[in-house]
Amino acid sequence: RKEVEQDPGPFNVPEGATVAFNCTYSNSASQSFFWYRQDCRKEPKLLMSVYSSGNEDGRFTAQLNRASQYISLLIRDSKLSDSATYLCVVNLFNKFYFGSGTKLNVKP
Amino acid sequence: EPEVTQTPSHQVTQMGQEVILRCVPISNHLYFYWYRQILGQKVEFLVSFYNNEISEKSEIFDDQFSVERPDGSNFTLKIRSTKLEDSAMYFCASSEKRDTVYEKLFFGSGTQLSVL
Repeated sequence: RKEVEQDPGPFNVPEGATVAFNCTYSNSASQSFFWYRQDCRKEPKLLMSVYSSGNEDGRFTAQLNRASQYISLLIRDSKLSDSATYLCVVNLFNKFYFGSGTKLNVKP
Repeated sequence: EPEVTQTPSHQVTQMGQEVILRCVPISNHLYFYWYRQILGQKVEFLVSFYNNEISEKSEIFDDQFSVERPDGSNFTLKIRSTKLEDSAMYFCASSEKRDTVYEKLFFGSGTQLSVL
């Protein structure tokens, strides 16, 4: 069983749309959670940490549901520059496990 | 903004040759990592390093691989006798400390290794 699972997409959305990505993790002992963004053939870059109470950073909102072992990322008012692959990352005993990523294409 | 730097950006080698991938972590960071990403696949953990020794390693990190911090700034990954399946993007990462749950990883821009 994979540690972290994501819908690979791609999600094709028009500019201005709201889009949501989901991620599930298998180990209930997982301690911390993150969303990273990866552009084609580039390094992953931290988008935001995901806190138990949920958190927001501008157009981005992250939610964590420990009972369901589920993490989400909501992007409002999508921009062309949001086109990328979004990686769900879970920290379990100081090992960071990456999901395969969800690809987002924002169209004009 | 401080960043993790990796060299070279691209490395082409013949099967069976040894390669050394180099990284300079962020200067005040204490924990160092190597990850790899085969084209089209997910980012995979290879090894973590702290206090001049390996703290954790994955199943991928077998005897073919070794890491070293030869001086106060560089962190290297050596792959002995490369195989075709070692072709991937290799990312170095560092983090400041590990006593907080929300410790973040900062990645270098990667070395694309191609084994022919």
